[in-house]
Amino acid sequence: GNSVTQMEGPVTLSEEAFLTINCTYTATGYPSLFWYVQYPGEGLQLLLKATKADDKGSNKGFEATYRKETTSFHLEKGSVQVSDSAVYFCALSGSGNQFYFGTGTSLTVIP
Amino acid sequence: NAGVMQNPRHLVRRRGQEARLRCSPMKGHSHVYWYRQLPEEGLKFMVYLQKENIIDESGMPKERFSAEFPKEGPSILRIQQVVRGDSAAYFCASSPNVGTGASNEQFFGPGTRLTVL
Repeated sequence: GNSVTQMEGPVTLSEEAFLTINCTYTATGYPSLFWYVQYPGEGLQLLLKATKADDKGSNKGFEATYRKETTSFHLEKGSVQVSDSAVYFCALSGSGNQFYFGTGTSLTVIP
Repeated sequence: NAGVMQNPRHLVRRRGQEARLRCSPMKGHSHVYWYRQLPEEGLKFMVYLQKENIIDESGMPKERFSAEFPKEGPSILRIQQVVRGDSAAYFCASSPNVGTGASNEQFFGPGTRLTVL
């Protein structure tokens, strides 16, 4: 079956630090992979996505590469800002349109 | 183009009452999904609907929960005889009608936060 395992938080970083949030998946077939971000009191917003192996999704300084050999889609950012404080969800989508989400990683960036 | 609309944003019910959550998908979207987020947990898929059809309800509890997406009007998630364990954030998402495909992005609403007293 399909599932997503995400690095547990919470994560606290100083401003301008390097961020990595690990995500690995189990899937049948060829899923698409996504990172969503949730700010306090809001719904989820798509951050980036990759639809096939070796694709790199990027947005707002965040990047993630679809690694089929390691079944991973780790999120990275070279220099985080206070405004990046949020909860980050890794997700996959299979052929049936259903999304499978990780449990979320809470990130707090301190000045 | 308005995003996915959900109402109410906050809903308080007493045990045994009914809760009705509404979701209007983005314009042009005919696929609707409902998710539940329990405190400190990720999102759990509940149900996937297209207009007048339930496509996948494998995540719906067998009792007290139902969902519909009528030809006209919003999608409704109904919870009958609510219990304290139903307290959660319920998110609706929609995607465009481009056929099945793993790359279809889902667009999320702001959620309805249900509190059962």
